[in-house]
Amino acid sequence: AQSVTQLGSHVSVSEGALVLLRCNYSSSVPPYLFWYVQYPNQGLQLLLKYTSAATLVKGINGFEAEFKKSETSFHLTKPSAHMSDAAEYFCAVSGTDSSYKLIFGSGTRLLVRP
Amino acid sequence: NAGVTQTPKFRVLKTGQSMTLLCAQDMNHEYMYWYRQDPGMGLRLIHYSVGEGTTAKGEVPDGYNVSRLKKQNFLLGLESAAPSQTSVYFCASSTRTSSREQFFGPGTRLTVL
Repeated sequence: AQSVTQLGSHVSVSEGALVLLRCNYSSSVPPYLFWYVQYPNQGLQLLLKYTSAATLVKGINGFEAEFKKSETSFHLTKPSAHMSDAAEYFCAVSGTDSSYKLIFGSGTRLLVRP
Repeated sequence: NAGVTQTPKFRVLKTGQSMTLLCAQDMNHEYMYWYRQDPGMGLRLIHYSVGEGTTAKGEVPDGYNVSRLKKQNFLLGLESAAPSQTSVYFCASSTRTSSREQFFGPGTRLTVL
């Protein structure tokens, strides 16, 4: 069975500091991996996705993530946090079954301090 | 393109009442999903559909029913609402050509008193 673990329900950084949000997955098959962002009172928006084309994936708003098979990780980073990055971030995994289901982590709320 | 839309945006129910949430997508996607979001638990899959006329249970299907009579619509029903169903409900859709990316609606906030 597939699963996703996001370490840290809340992460607080100063504006301009590095953002690192951690995601570890469990999958018996090569996974598809996703990071979604949710701003307050909104739906989820795709930040980036890994589909085996390249291990370093660049997304929107300056975010990127690196797929590390040996560590079963897909951590999300951004070199310099902006106040507008404050939101909740979800990591998700999908296997190769025909339903295209996603399994989500419990989420990490990013707080950006001025 | 409106993408994925959900109706209503907010609803308050009393215990035992019934209601239907409507999800519509205009992207001609084959797959549609209903999730619920609760604090600290991420999104959990309730039911999903891989095509018109087909539905299947997800992780937390109890107390909910669904129907997909038209490709563009996916309905989520609560026959007898319970306070434990207080949540934010999200609909999503996907297509075989989207690398499994799901597109989400804005959500419905449901409170059951």
